[in-house]
Amino acid sequence: DAGITQSPRHKVTETGTPVTLRCHQTENHRYMYWYRQDPGHGLRLIHYSYGVKDTDKGEVSDGYSVSRSKTEDFLLTLESATSSQTSVYFCAISGLGNYGYTFGSGTRLTVV
Amino acid sequence: DAKTTQPNSMESNEEEPVHLPCNHSTISGTDYIHWYRQLPSQGPEYVIHGLTSNVNNRMASLAIAEDRKSSTLILHRATLRDAAVYYCISRDFGNEKLTFGTGTRLTIIP
Repeated sequence: DAGITQSPRHKVTETGTPVTLRCHQTENHRYMYWYRQDPGHGLRLIHYSYGVKDTDKGEVSDGYSVSRSKTEDFLLTLESATSSQTSVYFCAISGLGNYGYTFGSGTRLTVV
Repeated sequence: DAKTTQPNSMESNEEEPVHLPCNHSTISGTDYIHWYRQLPSQGPEYVIHGLTSNVNNRMASLAIAEDRKSSTLILHRATLRDAAVYYCISRDFGNEKLTFGTGTRLTIIP
């Protein structure tokens, strides 16, 4: 679906290294979100943003930081990757009001 | 946001209607009911949402009980491509966060 892209699509990294995942949107939506999805846990919210430089924590934010310096980009950083952060990461965008989210295709991250 | 309860799995025959139930007995007056689905190896996809009255779009219909304590997602004619995990989510109008449960895994039998 056009409008939201995640990069990279796949990444393997070593324990202890920093990793940054990027979410880019072309819809000019105000809200952006990072989720992780693991077997047995479903989708869990990591961080979200409600505007440029405005971010807040979700339910599983420990070990992650985010930045949003432009409307179109929302970066998720794993400050020091651990094996427990091996997961599929999804970015999502949403406009004002009670409308649907649009999700990206996901980034599969493996920490070895 | 109210907690929702869905069956873990359901099966349906191809080309037949599918009714996916969702219970949300603690729903408040400003909670919308949202449905998303996730096809294998893809991100979730918005299906439909509603507040009180029944809603229809090109993908599905949403039937909301009069007391709003339950709802049903209706796929009018299931195809193999409808095999997915379907999530029912209760979301307050003022809350911009979506909280996912474990959903219903729908299997379509050819």
